[in-house]
Amino acid sequence: EAGVTQSPTHLIKTRGQQATLRCSPISGHTSVYWYQQALGLGLQFLLWYDEGEERNRGNFPPRFSGRQFPNYSSELNVNALELEDSALYLCASRGQGAGYNEQFFGPGTRLTVL
Amino acid sequence: ILNVEQSPQSLHVQEGDSTNFTCSFPSSNFYALHWYRWETAKSPEALFVMTLNGDEKKKGRISATLNTKEGYSYLYIKGSQPEDSATYLCATYSGYSTLTFGKGTMLLVSP
Repeated sequence: EAGVTQSPTHLIKTRGQQATLRCSPISGHTSVYWYQQALGLGLQFLLWYDEGEERNRGNFPPRFSGRQFPNYSSELNVNALELEDSALYLCASRGQGAGYNEQFFGPGTRLTVL
Repeated sequence: ILNVEQSPQSLHVQEGDSTNFTCSFPSSNFYALHWYRWETAKSPEALFVMTLNGDEKKKGRISATLNTKEGYSYLYIKGSQPEDSATYLCATYSGYSTLTFGKGTMLLVSP
């Protein structure tokens, strides 16, 4: 069974640009979570999508947005990039019936903002 | 405790040493605790999901205990090997939405 995949592996942008990160969940999983790990911090929850809908978002500004497609893959968009957006972005997926919210993670996208 | 806290932040041991780390969390609204192992440049890998007070889980040389009343979990590694070098994350689940992660304990095992 293929795991969670993310693309690209690395992304370099300049301040003010937009970044798009992609995630493909494990086959059959309907929920996708996005996390940010900035330097010195733990994984911070960004967004949760389930069945195509945004279910919850963390304490991040509106320029962090995303969507989930009918095939359950997901996109994270970061507009008007700032230097402090440089971080590792992890995506995780969860299947229905995962009673304790067991999440399976991808390897991440390293975003560098210059 | 308001957040999930892990200690120590990092640990350097010799091959063959046994070691343990702590995860502290708010005991209110507790539903489950997750331990993950995260090797550099790889995906975090689930180790254990623990839910009941007094729970003890084991996977090879790694084991974990849970105390929900006082809000802590211990992760033990017996006879550490260089391949155990990784960051160990704990995360709590309150029954809704997402997981809340600690900052992790980075373990380095030298041969």
